[in-house]
Amino acid sequence: GAGVSQSPSNKVTEKGKDVELRCDPISGHTALYWYRQSLGQGLEFLIYFQGNSAPDKSGLPSDRFSAERTGGSVSTLTIQRTQQEDSAVYLCASSLGRSTYTQYFGPGTRLTVL
Amino acid sequence: EDQVTQSPEALRLQEGESSSLNCSYTVSGLRGLFWYRQDPGKGPEFLFTLYSAGEEKEKERLKATLTKKESFLHITAPKPEDSATYLCAVQALKTSYDKVIFGPGTSLSVIP
Repeated sequence: GAGVSQSPSNKVTEKGKDVELRCDPISGHTALYWYRQSLGQGLEFLIYFQGNSAPDKSGLPSDRFSAERTGGSVSTLTIQRTQQEDSAVYLCASSLGRSTYTQYFGPGTRLTVL
Repeated sequence: EDQVTQSPEALRLQEGESSSLNCSYTVSGLRGLFWYRQDPGKGPEFLFTLYSAGEEKEKERLKATLTKKESFLHITAPKPEDSATYLCAVQALKTSYDKVIFGPGTSLSVIP
């Protein structure tokens, strides 16, 4: 596709429910990243994928957060038993990987936990 | 520890009033420094990548420069549509993969 796409654009859920956020990277980009941005804050790194592998999961805030990537393309970020502090914009980015590091971002998913 | 700071936190300019945003970084060997623009409710939009001290890149009213310790984003004769948050990010040589560290951003408002 022309750019990184994310769905849904907005998600409102109740505390304790599970949510899945989806990211479609730019075609041919092997590297994929998830970030979280709370209101008025900077970008918080969550997880990085190279292909289908996740060599760096260090940013995942708790074991309620998990992510997978299939076919070296689409990625899903899952948050189990959501808490109000999970409310934020979740951003996905992709890059060609290896020697080309510029990341291109999607529009984000705004998650609100009531 | 690798770190990125940006100043000022917020900047208000009159239309046509040129200024500069600062990004200071501490990293054990720089692989690349990136500038992004972020509009409210949107994902960051890539602007520039700089790789070595002395390098400069320009796009319309924006010019990014790089030294060994900091980068500047110069805005010449800004227009209201330049209002946005500008993010700086760095990637260290020691990383074996593509992780970057983002600064907190500078919120720019250009008043007509």
